[in-house]
Amino acid sequence: EAGVTQFPSHSVIEKGQTVTLRCDPISGHDNLYWYRRVMGKEIKFLLHFVKESKQDESGMPNNRFLAERTGGTYSTLKVQPAELEDSGVYFCASSQGRLAGGRQTQYFGPGTRLLVL
Amino acid sequence: ILNVEQSPQSLHVQEGDSTNFTCSFPSSNFYALHWYRWETAKSPEALFVMTLNGDEKKKGRISATLNTKEGYSYLYIKGSQPEDSATYLCASNNAGNMLTFGGGTRLMVKP
Repeated sequence: EAGVTQFPSHSVIEKGQTVTLRCDPISGHDNLYWYRRVMGKEIKFLLHFVKESKQDESGMPNNRFLAERTGGTYSTLKVQPAELEDSGVYFCASSQGRLAGGRQTQYFGPGTRLLVL
Repeated sequence: ILNVEQSPQSLHVQEGDSTNFTCSFPSSNFYALHWYRWETAKSPEALFVMTLNGDEKKKGRISATLNTKEGYSYLYIKGSQPEDSATYLCASNNAGNMLTFGGGTRLMVKP
């Protein structure tokens, strides 16, 4: 079974440009999460989809970030316009929807390393 | 604001040594404690999900315990091997589905 995949693995852009990150969850997983780790800090939650609906977007830093999950399969995270402080590793994770709350294992992808110059 | 703390931040051990590290988390509204093993540029690998006070879980030479009343978990590695070198992350789930991560413990095992 394929794991969570993310594309691209690395992205280097200039301040003010737009970048779109993609995540393909494990097939059949209803829950999809985005997390971010900025340099030297902890991994932090951004948002959570259940199928195509945003369940919790309390971690999204501001309105320059837009996440979508059309059709409840893959998800994209767009940053527009990118700022220097957006640099970091963006992780996607997915889980099945069978257990309540956070008791289910979240399976992580390898992340996209974003550098904004 | 939830704070999940891990100690130590880094650890150097010799091959064959046994080691352990700590994760402390808020005990209020606790649902689950997750442990991950992460090698840079790879996907964090899920090790354990622990929910009940007194839980003990084991996977090969790695085991973990959970105390939800006082808000801590220990991860143990018996007979460390160079391939155990990685960052070990714990994450607490206290509301909804989001995980709150600690800063990780970076383990380096010298041959």
